[in-house]
Amino acid sequence: AQSVAQPEDQVNVAEGNPLTVKCTYSVSGNPYLFWYVQYPNRGLQFLLKYITGDNLVKGSYGFEAEFNKSQTSFHLKKPSALVSDSALYFCAVRLTGYSTLTFGKGTMLLVSP
Amino acid sequence: DTGVSQDPRHKITKRGQNVTFRCDPISEHNRLYWYRQTLGQGPEFLTYFQNEAQLEKSRLLSDRFSAERPKGSFSTLEIQRTEQGDSAMYLCASSPAPQGKELFFGEGSRLTVL
Repeated sequence: AQSVAQPEDQVNVAEGNPLTVKCTYSVSGNPYLFWYVQYPNRGLQFLLKYITGDNLVKGSYGFEAEFNKSQTSFHLKKPSALVSDSALYFCAVRLTGYSTLTFGKGTMLLVSP
Repeated sequence: DTGVSQDPRHKITKRGQNVTFRCDPISEHNRLYWYRQTLGQGPEFLTYFQNEAQLEKSRLLSDRFSAERPKGSFSTLEIQRTEQGDSAMYLCASSPAPQGKELFFGEGSRLTVL
């Protein structure tokens, strides 16, 4: 079985400040990890993924995420938040050998001007 | 735009009616997925096709739900005898092999059952 936890329903940050959106996972093997963003009434847009290799992954719109195997975490980060980053963010995991993604409940990011 | 397209974007129906959603994946993608998303929740997996073969179905997919991908291209998701609990956003996604590839999502089809 595989699962994802996003412990924060909402994260508030001021524009220009760094942001972190947390994600922890539980799988019985090696995971593929993903972050997606969703704007109101829209589908999910892919941000970045970890498959193997370097633990720090860089993605779209200046986002990055760090894979930490010992803590089973894959937190999403950005050095300087923009108001336009305000959206719903989902972490997802796929176990190697399987084809389906399991998503977390999502974290609403609100960036204030 | 050659992304994943879904139709209709919105559907309002009365309880007990049947509804059908269509998904056109990115043309070179052989994998197609259906997810359901309710308010305040992440997408929940419903079913998955590789080409025309339906390889996996979630326990969420009751007998009233059926999905097809007859020629390995577009897919349909039909819900029979709709219930108010079926109200949700139905998301379609596609991906190419191999497995490490991300899913590309459509804009979704929002179902409201009155």
